[in-house]
Parts: sequence; structure tokens; C-alpha cells
Amino acid sequence: KNQVEQSPQSLIILEGKNCTLQCNYTVSPFSNLRWYKQDTGRGPVSLTIMTFSENTKSNGRYTATLDADTKQSSLHITASQLSDSASYICVVSADRDDKIIFGKGTRLHILP
Amino acid sequence: DVKVTQSSRYLVKRTGEKVFLECVQDMDHENMFWYRQDPGLGLRLIYFSYDVKMKEKGDIPEGYSVSREKKERFSLILESASTNQTSMYLCASRTGTSGVYTTDTQYFGPGTRLTVL
Repeated sequence: KNQVEQSPQSLIILEGKNCTLQCNYTVSPFSNLRWYKQDTGRGPVSLTIMTFSENTKSNGRYTATLDADTKQSSLHITASQLSDSASYICVVSADRDDKIIFGKGTRLHILP
Repeated sequence: DVKVTQSSRYLVKRTGEKVFLECVQDMDHENMFWYRQDPGLGLRLIYFSYDVKMKEKGDIPEGYSVSREKKERFSLILESASTNQTSMYLCASRTGTSGVYTTDTQYFGPGTRLTVL
């Protein structure tokens, strides 16, 4: 069964600290993986996308990694800011049946 | 910039009412999607459309219907709203080939928070 599991479910860190969010998937055959950021009360916005051949992608202070062998991805946030408080959603596309599978998200709180 | 707009940010309806949620995109995207998002469940696909007048059921289509009469507009219809349809509804659009799969990015609207009393 195609699944995307994210951890932790929620995370609280102090402003300026780094953090890493995890995404494990069982989607097969794999096509691509995206990380979205969703601010409270808003729709998700794409941060990064990685295909099978890519193992890292950066977008400012956000760096996503992908290990297609272990089917794991991480999103690393450097020098966190209050505006990073949001939900982060991992989304995996399957290369069959035109499926997009969403993780349940990690809720990140940045404290001043 | 791609812009996806939804007709209402907040909506309160009574059980049994017919509810229309409207979504408009301004980038000539072929594909449009309706999701609902509930705490602990993430986003779940209700319906999607890959062309005018074309529609495909997603994972949870029961209790919903859709309409796409024009390329830029995709409507979600609750024929008879029920309390278990209280949720955040998100519309998205994307260019690319038909169907759900592509490396192109989905662009989401701001969402409509629907409460059914």
C-alpha cells in the first residue's frame, strides 16, 4: 500500500535553531517527492521537488534530501525564523496509476 | 505568479443545504483538483478534472459532485451537506499532461473552511 509517513507530528524549537523533519514512504514505483509549506489558514506552497536521480535540493534556508534506496527524505531548516512556523507536508508521486500521496504533515512552532 | 482563488474563506451552512464551492485559476492550467483537509488525516483528494467537462473521482468522492464548464473554473458541490463534511476545502491547479501524475507543481488556493451545523 502506498503510504507517506512524517515525523515528528509536531515540533517546537527556539528561533535561530536548526531542525530536521522526516518523511518515509512506501510509494512504488517512485516518481518524485515534494515538500510543501502550509501557513495557518492558507493553502500549501511548494518548497522543493526531487526526482529519483536527485538527492538534495535547496531553497534558501530549506534543504531537502532524498535517499531513494531507503525511501526516506528529510527537510532541514537552518537558522529558523518565526515565519517558519507552519505545517510541512511531504508529498510523493507514484509512477503508476497517476497517484499523489500526501503525508499528514509536521506542525512546526518557532518560539521567540 | 499563478493565482488560485476560492470564493469564500469561511462558510457556515445547515445540514441538508446545497453548497457550492468555487475555484478559479488564472494560468490556463489544464488540471484542477479539490481536496479536503482534516486534522490527523492530511489532504485527501475528492475529485479532479483534466479538461473542460471532464472529471475523475479521487479517493473520497462520496457526497460530492463537481462541475467544470470553463477551463479556469472548477466547482465543488455538496448536494445535501452533512456535519461530517465540516472541513477545510482546498482547490489546486496544475499544468501538464492529463491525470494526476507529473513533475509540474500544484498551486493551491487559500482554502475554504466549511462548517455544517
